[in-house]
Amino acid sequence: DTEVTQTPKHLVMGMTNKKSLKCEQHMGHRAMYWYKQKAKKPPELMFVYSYEKLSINESVPSRFSPECPNSSLLNLHLHALQPEDSALYLCASSRQQGGTEAFFGQGTRLTVV
Amino acid sequence: QQPVQSPQAVILREGEDAVINCSSSKALYSVHWYRQKHGEAPVFLMILLKGGEQKGHEKISASFNEKKQQSSLYLTASQLSYSGTYFCGTDHGLYNYGQNFVFGPGTRLSVLP
Repeated sequence: DTEVTQTPKHLVMGMTNKKSLKCEQHMGHRAMYWYKQKAKKPPELMFVYSYEKLSINESVPSRFSPECPNSSLLNLHLHALQPEDSALYLCASSRQQGGTEAFFGQGTRLTVV
Repeated sequence: QQPVQSPQAVILREGEDAVINCSSSKALYSVHWYRQKHGEAPVFLMILLKGGEQKGHEKISASFNEKKQQSSLYLTASQLSYSGTYFCGTDHGLYNYGQNFVFGPGTRLSVLP
């Protein structure tokens, strides 16, 4: 199983809503990542978890809150987002942090209205 | 600091070859190559680690010149399935992977029959 599963696939939320994105992998990977991708742009790294601990936070606004409840799951909690946060949110995992192949999920297409 | 990719876009006929270049102004520990088709997740192609090695994957190969801080991706006898956007990602250290990990802007490759 080389899959990273993200839910939901699409999400529309208002600026006052609270929602969560979910990511799951069963490859035994110990590093998991959140990326944000705008149309026709490369993915931008947001957060890195290594062995369930937050390793990297690329100066992401606090309205995005990551959580890693266990080694297979990664959540991204969203609160009070702005329309400019609309994007494709990609989750990825790799065997370890650094120098290894990353597997990406299909992403959640988020629209903030 | 985002690596530079060239060309920005390329159109090929099936069976033709292409080279995509990636360069950085900072010393590199590794270079990662991914392909993303429209509406899909990025898919890993290969990683090149510091040491100047060259890797191959069927008709796709890559080189890494750490002195010049450059990597090139070679697509030989291109197939229709090679169409997509190619991203290089650069990483400047094993133990702080992600701290400075960033994808290049992408090269859009179109293979025509």
